[in-house]
Amino acid sequence: AQSVSQHNHHVILSEAASLELGCNYSYGGTVNLFWYVQYPGQHLQLLLKYFSGDPLVKGIKGFEAEFIKSKFSFNLRKPSVQWSDTAEYFCAVKMWDDMRFGAGTRLTVKP
Amino acid sequence: DTAVSQTPKYLVTQMGNDKSIKCEQNLGHDTMYWYKQDSKKFLKIMFSYNNKELIINETVPNRFSPKSPDKAHLNLHINSLELGDSAVYFCASSQGRGPYNEQFFGPGTRLTVL
Repeated sequence: AQSVSQHNHHVILSEAASLELGCNYSYGGTVNLFWYVQYPGQHLQLLLKYFSGDPLVKGIKGFEAEFIKSKFSFNLRKPSVQWSDTAEYFCAVKMWDDMRFGAGTRLTVKP
Repeated sequence: DTAVSQTPKYLVTQMGNDKSIKCEQNLGHDTMYWYKQDSKKFLKIMFSYNNKELIINETVPNRFSPKSPDKAHLNLHINSLELGDSAVYFCASSQGRGPYNEQFFGPGTRLTVL
């Protein structure tokens, strides 16, 4: 079945630690990939997106993600997290009109 | 400037009631969506409209009926509310159809059915 998997349900880090959140998808063909962030009590906001070209994409707030086609992965990274990065992170895959989200990863950053 | 707005923000109601949630976007987009986010934060698409025409209709009970009076509005009406309908409902919009258009989300409506 077509799906988007985020393997880490809850990640807890200390400030300044490095972050990597996994995202794998199982759709065949061309896909477009997104990472959204949802801060506590707020709506989803776009962090970054990949359509084509350089597989390493940079987003807002120091986040980046790498698309590895052979692994069907689009992992999110940040070299040094801050307390304000505490939020829920969603990976999403879009084929045409249909956008599918992963189950989300909750990131807690301890000050 | 609110790009995608939803009303109400919170909705508490009894089982069996009928309620509506309104969504408006001022981005000039022509595609709008409704998503349901359950208590485990899982986000699932329910409906999508393009130029007031229904283009995505996931397996959703027919108690849920979207209505798009114009391109800027997509309302969600729910009949005979059930406990399992309790969730956060997000409206979103994008410029056109297709895979390249990111979606902009509203602030969400937290529906609690007692």
